[in-house]
Amino acid sequence: DQQVKQNSPSLSVQEGRISILNCDYTNSMFDYFLWYKKYPAEGPTFLISISSIKDKNEDGRFTVFLNKSAKHLSLHIVPSQPGDSAVYFCAASARGLRGTSYGKLTFGQGTILTVHP
Amino acid sequence: DGGITQSPKYLFRKEGQNVTLSCEQNLNHDAMYWYRQDPGQGLRLIYYSQIVNDFQKGDIAEGYSVSREKKESFPLTVTSAQKNPTAFYLCASSTPGSTDTQYFGPGTRLTVL
Repeated sequence: DQQVKQNSPSLSVQEGRISILNCDYTNSMFDYFLWYKKYPAEGPTFLISISSIKDKNEDGRFTVFLNKSAKHLSLHIVPSQPGDSAVYFCAASARGLRGTSYGKLTFGQGTILTVHP
Repeated sequence: DGGITQSPKYLFRKEGQNVTLSCEQNLNHDAMYWYRQDPGQGLRLIYYSQIVNDFQKGDIAEGYSVSREKKESFPLTVTSAQKNPTAFYLCASSTPGSTDTQYFGPGTRLTVL
């Protein structure tokens, strides 16, 4: 049962254009979402997160949008750069009413982003 | 210089042998996690530990064992009972309650021959 899904295995974008990576989830208890970037043979690095009380969070070139009714989030990268080429994972956790959790994250399968010069 | 270290980067073992992967963190994080990544798949949780001397099974714990005797260390043993042990293993840590952001080590590539 895949509770977090990234339905696009890969995405190819021209340098300078916008990259949009999508993620869907099924568990309505999820209330905190994260995006990670991963290079081959390295550990993932944290990019940006969003709480369910927000619908948008921005950090430099990276913006995450959350649509709770559709159980959908997306990561926008503007402008895209060749160094952004990597695998992007979305992840979700259920923190609950008190804002605490066991810290467990459920990850999607990842999307390979390729940014062409 | 805070972070998570995993050693070794590459590990080769013969089939039927147990092998222990090291994970150390100096971030003073309470919780630690082990994941496995296979080609074309996401990260799957093997075991996690929220405090010292306590750990819980994740989604794919069969064939693995862990210990958490110190806050800084969370070694993973891949036993001979694990049917398909060749994979990329990732360790992470976090402090649940303040943030669920997990920080990852560089990973260990285990190949069983």
